[in-house]
This record gives sequence, C-alpha cells and structure tokens, in this order.
Amino acid sequence: QSALTQPRSVSGSPGQSVTISCTGTSNDVGGSDYVSWYQQHPGKAPKLMIYDVTKRPSGVPDRFSGSKSGNTASLTISGLQADDEADYYCCSCAGSILWVFGGGTKLTVL
Amino acid sequence: QVQFVESGGGVVQPGRSLRLSCAVSGVTFSNHGMHWVRQAPGKGLEWVAFIWSDGSNKYYVDSVKGRFTISRDNSENILYLQMNSVTAEDTAVYYCTRDRAKDYFDYWGQGTLVTVSS
Repeated sequence: QSALTQPRSVSGSPGQSVTISCTGTSNDVGGSDYVSWYQQHPGKAPKLMIYDVTKRPSGVPDRFSGSKSGNTASLTISGLQADDEADYYCCSCAGSILWVFGGGTKLTVL
Repeated sequence: QVQFVESGGGVVQPGRSLRLSCAVSGVTFSNHGMHWVRQAPGKGLEWVAFIWSDGSNKYYVDSVKGRFTISRDNSENILYLQMNSVTAEDTAVYYCTRDRAKDYFDYWGQGTLVTVSS
C-alpha cells in the first residue's frame, strides 16, 4: 500500500487561507469516508484535527475544515495564525484493516 | 486526565529484540482497539499495528509481519509491542494511539524512541 500524496510544503501569511491536498486512489481516499487529518508540531505527538473527511473533534477551531472530491481530500485552514505552523498528515483507512498516511506537508506561516 | 505513556525504547543492536509498553489511564482501555504508529527521524507517520479491544484480532503493516507482535493486558491497561529481529529501518519514534471505529486515532502518547544500531 503506497503512501497518500501530499505537497511537501505550503505557506501563507497570517489571516490568509491555505489548502493542503491529499491524493490517493479509489482503494483508499476515493472509496472511503474514513479520511482524517493530524497536526504535528516539532517534537510533539500528532493531534487529530479532522475525521470522517469533514468532522472536527471538540476543541478544534472551526478555522479548520475538510473536504473530498474523488480521490483527493483537502484540509483548509482559514484565518492563519502563527501557531498553525506545523506538519500536517492525512490518513485513510484503506480497507482490509490497513491504514495509510500521507507523506506530510510542512505549513509555514510567513 | 487522559494519559498514554510509552516506555521501553532505547538503543538496540540489529537482530535483537525489544518490548515497548504503553500505559493508559483516564479512559476505558478495554473498550477500544489500539494502534502503534511510528515515525522515522525526519520522516512521516507510518501505521504499524492494530489490536482489537479484546485482543482477538491483530493486524500489521507488511514490513513488520512475522517480526513484531502487538498485545494488550486489559486488566493492567497496558498495550505492548514486541519487536524481534529489528533492523535499522525500524529506527523511529513509536507512538501508541487509540482507535475510533477502525477509522481514526484520537488520543496519542508522547512516543518512545527506538534506535537500531550496532
């Protein structure tokens, strides 16, 4: 099972919006509503930000939103803040009890 | 509060064994499946293994099948990962994380570093 494809890096200025894509296949992202996103600050554990493509756990700001079209899922962060600077990973349950992550995207807040 | 605390990492020689533990508190451990996810230095996340809440079923990424064994003790609220025949490619921070509906991972530990080196 290959990793999901994410851009290596994205950037934006405070207050702007950025979108991170996550491309898989019909066997994972395209064929499943089980797409989740994780934020990871340097030296810290990952934190769940989005699950089931669009749902936000309690405590995650509504500036974070998820969507999906075909084999590509997306995470959009609006109203960028300095603390949003982190690595972001998508994940999909690829069926047959197998989870696959994206390669990760480094978000830089300019 | 919810705590997932991994331990057991360290430096291990290639071909040797190591057992990782994850002590869980603040949640009903026996109600949920559990995973191990690892992250090689400077690399991305990789799912490693999953165990059902009752320990009856276990699943592994291909690269560790036959070498790693996930297990749990629901009476002690501890998750384990027995790592045998380790190689340099197993060098990573290992995280334990709770499963939600065989879908996503909500709570994570802080990780324990395993370094395979002679």
